[in-house]
Amino acid sequence: DTAVSQTPKYLVTQMGNDKSIKCEQNLGHDTMYWYKQDSKKFLKIMFSYNNKELIINETVPNRFSPKSPDKAHLNLHINSLELGDSAVYFCASSQVWPLLLDTQYFGPGTRLTVL
Amino acid sequence: KNEVEQSPQNLTAQEGEFITINCSYSVGISALHWLQQHPGGGIVSLFMLSSGKKKHGRLIATINIQEKHSSLHITASHPRDSAVYICAVGLQYNTDKLIFGTGTRLQVFP
Repeated sequence: DTAVSQTPKYLVTQMGNDKSIKCEQNLGHDTMYWYKQDSKKFLKIMFSYNNKELIINETVPNRFSPKSPDKAHLNLHINSLELGDSAVYFCASSQVWPLLLDTQYFGPGTRLTVL
Repeated sequence: KNEVEQSPQNLTAQEGEFITINCSYSVGISALHWLQQHPGGGIVSLFMLSSGKKKHGRLIATINIQEKHSSLHITASHPRDSAVYICAVGLQYNTDKLIFGTGTRLQVFP
């Protein structure tokens, strides 16, 4: 059983399109995250949700909108895609908040390519 | 300058060698994490520590809070240890935000 799953694994799209990436965890965790890994493999947190409530919203363009319909899901919707949005996006979850008390479980990543 | 620095950036070793990867940080932290990113891209959390030392199999992680430094050691390295090892710190006053180092790419040859 996959603990943290993301769909799709690969996403290729044109500039200006709107796309979504879905994330689900079956671990019963309370907290979920979205990270962006750029072409230099540098990871940066984008959002953190605890019990469906937004905890962290880093300096991410408002074209990115996370949505958490329930504790097990945290989806990422991106409007008006730009070339610079090309990256690998990782979803993660942890059992408790704050994170300093727990380890994270990562999804397999979604490689987004904007043409 | 990044708040979390790792060294070396790249490391090659022969199977069986003892490996050390270093992480230095310049901010107050609540905890430090070591992550492993496989060549296929998957990320696994190896350790979370706020003091002292932790061991899991052939992996050992240490942290010195006063010196703001952590090390990840791999004993009896194996080609399957080849991966990118990433250090991340949880900020002292923002306990849910991780700041990541740039990673150390390790290749272990048979």
